[in-house]
Amino acid sequence: AQSVTQPDIHITVSEGASLELRCNYSYGATPYLFWYVQSPGQGLQLLLKYFSGDTLVQGIKGFEAEFKRSQSSFNLRKPSVHWSDAAEYFCAVVLIKAAGNKLTFGGGTRVLVKP
Amino acid sequence: EAGVTQSPTHLIKTRGQQVTLRCSPISGHTSVYWYQQALGLGLQFLLWYDEGEERNRGNFPPRFSGRQFPNYSSELNVNALELEDSALYLCASSLGGVYNEQFFGPGTRLTVL
Repeated sequence: AQSVTQPDIHITVSEGASLELRCNYSYGATPYLFWYVQSPGQGLQLLLKYFSGDTLVQGIKGFEAEFKRSQSSFNLRKPSVHWSDAAEYFCAVVLIKAAGNKLTFGGGTRVLVKP
Repeated sequence: EAGVTQSPTHLIKTRGQQVTLRCSPISGHTSVYWYQQALGLGLQFLLWYDEGEERNRGNFPPRFSGRQFPNYSSELNVNALELEDSALYLCASSLGGVYNEQFFGPGTRLTVL
């Protein structure tokens, strides 16, 4: 079945430490890939996206993600976490033409930042 | 430039009632999407409207319906509310056509008692 998996439900990281959030997808073709962040009580904000080309994508707020076709992964990274990065992060995909612009989300990873 | 707006912010209803949620897209956007974020179920696609037509529908019962108006704003209607309809309902908008970036509103929190 087609799916998006975020294996880590919760991650706790110390402020200033590096962060990596995992995302795996299961589709026959390479979809468009996204990472969104949701702060408490807020909507979703797009951090970055991958459509094609360079597999290392830079986003806002110092985040980057790397697409690895062989592993069907699109992991999100940040070298040094700030307290304001505490939020829930969602990986999402769109299967162009096949799925009618529908975003399919992973289950989310909640990030807690320790001082 | 104003973002996607949704109203109301919060809503409390009882089981069996009907509810209407509203969404105004970013100016120039012709596509509107609705997603449900329910506890334990994650974010799920509900509906996609483009140029006034329903283009795609998620795996939800027919009591979830909506429409898009000529000014591209949209309503989501839920009839015969059930307890499990309690969720954050997110609206997003984008330029029309094949996939363009979706911009999300702050959501409407629906509580069904």
